[in-house]
Amino acid sequence: KQEVTQIPAALSVPEGENLVLNCSFTDSAIYNLQWFRQDPGKGLTSLLLIQSSQREQTSGRLNASLDKSSGRSTLYIAASQPGDSATYLCAVRVISNFGNEKLTFGTGTRLTIIP
Amino acid sequence: NAGVMQNPRHLVRRRGQEARLRCSPMKGHSHVYWYRQLPEEGLKFMVYLQKENIIDESGMPKERFSAEFPKEGPSILRIQQVVRGDSAAYFCASLGIGGHDGYTFGSGTRLTVV
Repeated sequence: KQEVTQIPAALSVPEGENLVLNCSFTDSAIYNLQWFRQDPGKGLTSLLLIQSSQREQTSGRLNASLDKSSGRSTLYIAASQPGDSATYLCAVRVISNFGNEKLTFGTGTRLTIIP
Repeated sequence: NAGVMQNPRHLVRRRGQEARLRCSPMKGHSHVYWYRQLPEEGLKFMVYLQKENIIDESGMPKERFSAEFPKEGPSILRIQQVVRGDSAAYFCASLGIGGHDGYTFGSGTRLTVV
């Protein structure tokens, strides 16, 4: 059974700092990994998608890496801003031999950027 | 492209009533997934549907919950005889054929059972 863990559960940093969020998963047989952002009371916004064959993806100030063999991914946020405050969710997509597939989510990291 | 549309955004039901949550996937997407997010918990998979077929319902509670994705119209998640423990945010996601673009989530339906 795939399990996804995110550390830390909560993080507060001053504005302008660079930071790293961590995600680990127990089964390396993933199809891809997706990082989402969730604002309080809102839906999920996809930030970055990394295919299993890729090592990293970048979008603006965000960079996500994937080390499938060790079951780890990181989300790096450069020059943090108060608008980055949100919960960040990591999710892995697994496709079974029977064609079933699903995303398994971590419990998230609640990020607060202090102005 | 309007994205994944869920309605209603908020739903209040009394214990014992029925709740119907609707999800229209992105145009061209034929795979729909429902997830539930209980207060202060992560998102948990409930069911995966394609048009007129339930592919995987391993995350659905055995009783009171059902889902469908008819040939025409939105996907429906139905909860009969709701209880307070059903209060949660219910999210729908869709995936295109091939799935290389990743999942797209709707804004969710927040169900409150009073």
